[in-house]
Amino acid sequence: SQQGEEDPQALSIQEGENATMNCSYKTSINNLQWYRQNSGRGLVHLILIRSNEREKHSGRLRVTLDTSKKSSSLLITASRAADTASYFCATDEEYGNKLVFGAGTILRVKS
Amino acid sequence: GAVVSQHPSWVICKSGTSVKIECRSLDFQATTMFWYRQFPKQSLMLMATSNEGSKATYEQGVEKDKFLINHASLTLSTLTVTSAHPEDSSFYICSARSTGAGANVLTFGAGSRLTVL
Repeated sequence: SQQGEEDPQALSIQEGENATMNCSYKTSINNLQWYRQNSGRGLVHLILIRSNEREKHSGRLRVTLDTSKKSSSLLITASRAADTASYFCATDEEYGNKLVFGAGTILRVKS
Repeated sequence: GAVVSQHPSWVICKSGTSVKIECRSLDFQATTMFWYRQFPKQSLMLMATSNEGSKATYEQGVEKDKFLINHASLTLSTLTVTSAHPEDSSFYICSARSTGAGANVLTFGAGSRLTVL
């Protein structure tokens, strides 16, 4: 099962620029999380935002959550070539003990 | 931090054979583990939720007899792809919820790439 959509599907930027990825979901959630996946590897947790939070920061990452619109955004500031990866949002559903992933955004940062 | 080990990282098998993938939580007890499947350039699709000591909960459309899940201990869950066929070729990833304050976050294994010839 997939919770929702992410956009853009792919994003290509220059090193130093900011990258913004958006995620929409459908059900009530306990929290929303962002993960990163390097090609052919497992996922690494980046940041978690609870349903009663609106914005959260972690280093160069900024996440927003709008529960009325059922959407979230991930901003990576001052991007680096090493940020090149796929980024997924995942929702921890309120009425299910599971994490459901969005479609993902493939980010390419050119040096 | 929490570490999940997944083995094997890749496997090639002949059509009709069965393949077992192991998922171990190395430094924490995982009452719940999740098995995902990922096709190239696609997202992770949840296959099943594995609960220690009880039957796994499968997502709609996932064949229980095809993908056997066993969670016999608090640190080990296994996924067996039975009578594998080329369409079962995929990247399989396990994850686990740790207990305590970090229970909302999943720790993922590195994944297992299955190729069925």
